[in-house]
Amino acid sequence: AQKITQTQPGMFVQEKEAVTLDCTYDTSDQSYGLFWYKQPSSGEMIFLIYQGSYDEQNATEGRYSLNFQKARKSANLVISASQLGDSAMYFCVSSSGGSEKLVFGKGTKLTVNP
Amino acid sequence: GAVVSQHPSRVICKSGTSVKIECRSLDFQATTMFWYRQFPKQSLMLMATSNEGSKATYEQGVEKDKFLINHASLTLSTLTVTSAHPEDSSFYICSASRGRELWSNQPQHFGDGTRLSIL
Repeated sequence: AQKITQTQPGMFVQEKEAVTLDCTYDTSDQSYGLFWYKQPSSGEMIFLIYQGSYDEQNATEGRYSLNFQKARKSANLVISASQLGDSAMYFCVSSSGGSEKLVFGKGTKLTVNP
Repeated sequence: GAVVSQHPSRVICKSGTSVKIECRSLDFQATTMFWYRQFPKQSLMLMATSNEGSKATYEQGVEKDKFLINHASLTLSTLTVTSAHPEDSSFYICSASRGRELWSNQPQHFGDGTRLSIL
């Protein structure tokens, strides 16, 4: 069974600084996907970034990058130049095998301070 | 990008009422739709997976008679909370998938959620 572990219940960062949100995963499948979603207090789920298990390059999307370390089974999200609007819950998510189901971590609440 | 519409966004009703929540994929045909429940300050919990024209597959511990799911078409799925009680109060979110080949874009497109409050 897949499992996602996010060990940081809450993180604080100063505006304009970078922050890393940790995520480790556990799967025996060779083919899997890793994703990060942002959930503001309003509740909608915002897709941020995707990393495939066979991708050799770390995924990047604007200010978001995914630090993918396959041997360590980690998929940390790096947010550069934090903005006040980045304050939200962040979920690390995975799916593997032939399933379309997603497995969610418990989330990290990020607070960006001015 | 792909849009999923979820309606209503908020419901407040009396105990014993049945509540229907709609989830529509507006600009694509969803191969699969999912229903999640989220308690305050917790993660999303998958309730069930539904495919058009077939019965939904419920996760362990989810009462299928309490949470009725109908997937009438490739663009519409509904969740009905039957005879709702205060313990059913929660945030319910639907999502729609276009298939694994499009995952690099986005695996599932989420609705904005429904806040259900049972008095």
